[in-house]
Amino acid sequence: SQKIEQNSEALNIQEGKTATLTCNYTNYSPAYLQWYRQDPGRGPVFLLLIRENEKEKRKERLKVTFDTTLKQSLFHITASQPADSATYLCATHVSGGSYIPTFGRGTSLIVHP
Amino acid sequence: DGGITQSPKYLFRKEGQNVTLSCEQNLNHDAMYWYRQDPGQGLRLIYYSQIVNDFQKGDIAEGYSVSREKKESFPLTVTSAQKNPTAFYLCASTTATAPQHFGDGTRLSIL
Repeated sequence: SQKIEQNSEALNIQEGKTATLTCNYTNYSPAYLQWYRQDPGRGPVFLLLIRENEKEKRKERLKVTFDTTLKQSLFHITASQPADSATYLCATHVSGGSYIPTFGRGTSLIVHP
Repeated sequence: DGGITQSPKYLFRKEGQNVTLSCEQNLNHDAMYWYRQDPGQGLRLIYYSQIVNDFQKGDIAEGYSVSREKKESFPLTVTSAQKNPTAFYLCASTTATAPQHFGDGTRLSIL
């Protein structure tokens, strides 16, 4: 069965450093992968989408990579700020059929001032 | 501004009671979804609908029901058959293969 894994332990970093979050998947090949941010008591908000034929995608301080050989995506936040503290979810989607993404459990990021 | 509105934000259910969670979108999206989120868990799909008057069961549909009479509305009923309803419920919508837009959720608790 399709499986998607994110580090369940919170990531604690100092302000100004680069945060790197990992999303691993097994038993399938997603056509694309998405990253969302979720704040406590709120719904997830879409951040970035990367397709299987793309190696890297950037948006301001955010960067996503997609390694289909390692079956892994990395999500980077450069020059992190306390306001970046949130839970980050990755979601994968396979091509064809209904659009039903598979979500990871999310990784909590805490940026200390 | 376009978006998804979920109501109420907090809801309490008594034993043996059915409750309905509202989800309305003005994004003109065809597809709508209901997810359940428990602490430390990923989003689990309850029901989804790709067009009006049609919906499909997700991974954890037992104890829940939905309707899709209008494009903009996708209410979820948590029935008394759902023995562990306490959770954070999220509604989402999308068009084609675009990313999902989420509401701000309803937190359901048992009295």
